[in-house]
Amino acid sequence: EIVLTQSPGTLSLSPGERATLSCRASQSVGSSYLAWYQQKPGQAPRLFIYGASSRATGIPDRFSGSGSGTDFTLTISRLEPEDFAVYYCQQYGSGWTFGQGTKVEIK
Amino acid sequence: QVQLVQSGAEMKKPGASVRVSCKASGYTFTSHYVFWVRQAPGQGLECMGMINPSRGSTTYAQNFQGRVTMTRDTSTSTVYMELSSLRSEDTAVYYCARAESGIHSWDYWGQGTLVIVSS
Repeated sequence: EIVLTQSPGTLSLSPGERATLSCRASQSVGSSYLAWYQQKPGQAPRLFIYGASSRATGIPDRFSGSGSGTDFTLTISRLEPEDFAVYYCQQYGSGWTFGQGTKVEIK
Repeated sequence: QVQLVQSGAEMKKPGASVRVSCKASGYTFTSHYVFWVRQAPGQGLECMGMINPSRGSTTYAQNFQGRVTMTRDTSTSTVYMELSSLRSEDTAVYYCARAESGIHSWDYWGQGTLVIVSS
């Protein structure tokens, strides 16, 4: 099973700042089968990034994904108030596993 | 528009079984896999497995082998997830989500169903 480790656990930032979230896999994620989801309290997760770097429908371009192999990054260029949430990475190339999540909170 | 609508909250006693439904609309039911994932209170996401609604074939996560059964009813575009031998650790919100295949991300999710296991 591919284990995904996200860091940091919590990111405390102010609106307008840049957020960089990391997701590291225990083995290579084939063909960049890596997604990022946003989850807000009481809501279902929402797909933000798939294929490591493609934005899902309706996702603003301040969100970008990068990486390959075992190291992936989600970057939010300038945080908006609605971006404060928990973000999960997921690999779907060998079974389906999630990272433990990174909480982006208002500083 | 694509929707996955899940059944309501359940409260069960330890040892019982629970069945959660997920009704799909707004797309061709048999053209997308449906996954089930759960989230214990304050915890992360755990994949339970998937069903191919076209064939009815399933793949279950190892942690749930022998306890979970996923089925579908193509006449109502509904997928079911049944979990047996419930224990308190199964208390969680259960979500269904769809994907184009087993190697695609999950683009639409149900609203979640809270299952509480308590004596």
